[in-house]
Amino acid sequence: DAGVIQSPRHEVTEMGQEVTLRCKPISGHDYLFWYRQTMMRGLELLIYFNNNVPIDDSGMPEDRFSAKMPNASFSTLKIQPSEPRDSAVYFCATLGDLRIGELFFGEGSRLTVL
Amino acid sequence: DQQVKQNSPSLSVQEGRISILNCDYTNSMFDYFLWYKKYPAEGPTFLISISSIKDKNEDGRFTVFLNKSAKHLSLHIVPSQPGDSAVYFCAASAGSGYALNFGKGTSLLVTP
Repeated sequence: DAGVIQSPRHEVTEMGQEVTLRCKPISGHDYLFWYRQTMMRGLELLIYFNNNVPIDDSGMPEDRFSAKMPNASFSTLKIQPSEPRDSAVYFCATLGDLRIGELFFGEGSRLTVL
Repeated sequence: DQQVKQNSPSLSVQEGRISILNCDYTNSMFDYFLWYKKYPAEGPTFLISISSIKDKNEDGRFTVFLNKSAKHLSLHIVPSQPGDSAVYFCAASAGSGYALNFGKGTSLLVTP
């Protein structure tokens, strides 16, 4: 299996622009999570889905952030408009074994908003 | 509000010695705890876990200890190797299928 695939790996954009991050989960994993990593806050949960349905989006910082999972093999995290404080590494992760809660992470998308 | 806390941002240990990474949590509903390891430019990878019904779990050089009364867990690496240099994240969940809460991470440097 190819693992969790994220794109782009790096994104540099200007303040006010729309940013779309993409994730292809591991086939058969029913849970998909979006995390954000910053120096100040570490790894923060933004939102997670179960069977393509958003379960908890309480971590989404503002209305500028939105996430979708139109099908079992694709999810997007969108920021519109982007701001410099959104600069971070965004990780997508999927849940393999419900009994042990082991998440499989993608390599992350590093976002820089100028 | 940070429910999982790793109060040491960094730790430096000599090769061959023991590395001890600490983690505290505040939510008494947490019943499953995990450690993840992260190298630069990569995603975190699962290392070891422990259920709240146990107080110790061992996997090779890695041992996790859980003290429920103190709401504290620790990861021991013995002996430490230079390849262990990475950021270690402590995580906790309140049941299977629930989202993991992560600490801010501890950067471990193992020097030759």
